[in-house]
Amino acid sequence: DAKTTQPNSMESNEEEPVHLPCNHSTISGTDYIHWYRQLPSQGPEYVIHGLTSNVNNRMASLAIAEDRKSSTLILHRATLRDAAVYYCILRDQGAQKLVFGQGTRLTINP
Amino acid sequence: NAGVTQTPKFRILKIGQSMTLQCTQDMNHNYMYWYRQDPGMGLKLIYYSVGAGITDKGEVPNGYNVSRSTTEDFPLRLELAAPSQTSVYFCASHPRGWSNEQFFGPGTRLTVL
Repeated sequence: DAKTTQPNSMESNEEEPVHLPCNHSTISGTDYIHWYRQLPSQGPEYVIHGLTSNVNNRMASLAIAEDRKSSTLILHRATLRDAAVYYCILRDQGAQKLVFGQGTRLTINP
Repeated sequence: NAGVTQTPKFRILKIGQSMTLQCTQDMNHNYMYWYRQDPGMGLKLIYYSVGAGITDKGEVPNGYNVSRSTTEDFPLRLELAAPSQTSVYFCASHPRGWSNEQFFGPGTRLTVL
């Protein structure tokens, strides 16, 4: 499985945008970039995924570099409820499993 | 839909005891997974199943067994509990075929003393 690298922790303020980076220099052409987050004492939940183009949904945006070796999860206006561990995961189209790294622990200050 | 449900929420076992962690989903998903999460770490895959009667090992299967007799249920069995199995266990599922999103249960926190 291709590896991803994320900062251990980040901090931001409520109602400000948050940019969570992820490096994946060994990504293959068939790897999709997935983001999940895990709120305290809960199971992970899906946030967003993409292959080559930038993606938007109701929770977040995903910006993918042109060479696909990095990506950024964007929370446009962070709330206290967005405090969680965010996992960037590469998933081959033929693979069933998700391989979780240690993720980025996001703290949101009021 | 209740989604993915897990029981029990918490359990304390003594070394050498056995138990079954229950996982049920009501979304008619074919694919189901068991992960464990040690403190401060990401999740690791224990076993997974692509349909009733079909199971396969993940990264860390030793010390565990699974069965999948129905689409809805995917129990995880610990036969001889060891302190190294102290962890939070998550069950997840998604529909047939490659899917964008896995749905996770709330987890079972297991302590082995």
